[in-house]
Amino acid sequence: DTGVSQNPRHKITKRGQNVTFRCDPISEHNRLYWYRQTLGQGPEFLTYFQNEAQLEKSRLLSDRFSAERPKGSFSTLEIQRTEQGDSAMYLCASSFYAGFETQYFGPGTRLLVL
Amino acid sequence: AQKITQTQPGMFVQEKEAVTLDCTYDTSDPSYGLFWYKQPSSGEMIFLIYQGSYDQQNATEGRYSLNFQKARKSANLVISASQLGDSAMYFCAMSGGGKLIFGQGTELSVKP
Repeated sequence: DTGVSQNPRHKITKRGQNVTFRCDPISEHNRLYWYRQTLGQGPEFLTYFQNEAQLEKSRLLSDRFSAERPKGSFSTLEIQRTEQGDSAMYLCASSFYAGFETQYFGPGTRLLVL
Repeated sequence: AQKITQTQPGMFVQEKEAVTLDCTYDTSDPSYGLFWYKQPSSGEMIFLIYQGSYDQQNATEGRYSLNFQKARKSANLVISASQLGDSAMYFCAMSGGGKLIFGQGTELSVKP
């Protein structure tokens, strides 16, 4: 059984550049979540999809952030004009929603903005 | 607003002993779920155990059990017979409208 995968695992970029991360969920899962985790903190919710519909976005998600899930399969998270404060671990999780569901996480993408 | 509080930044336990990691929560929703995740230094969040707010019995999964006290709004994780591989960050989380709300985490160190 293949788990959630994320690419790349690490990304170093210069301030002002755009970056894109990809998440491939567990195949039968209909929900996909993005979280951000900074050092010493718990993950914070960014956004989530049910199939291809984006159902909720956090107020943390500035206009520089955009996420997509075309065809309800993989998802991408793009950050435009990166800032040093964007440096964090970006975690993706997926679940099969049927009432309460357990979210299974991928290995994360560590972003460092210089 | 929903909130999770973990008051123990770090804990030490001797190998083979049991340890309890504290978690309290706040919500006005009558229906919610409580979760514990383990995060080793590699960064991946590993699901450990789930408790539903209407579940009558405490959840158990192998060496993990969740001590759910609804009136006190606490959901403590008990790890029995600690192993060196249990050394990691542990996060308590609550489901709120789909998304998870996490606490600050507790770093557990298991001593040989």
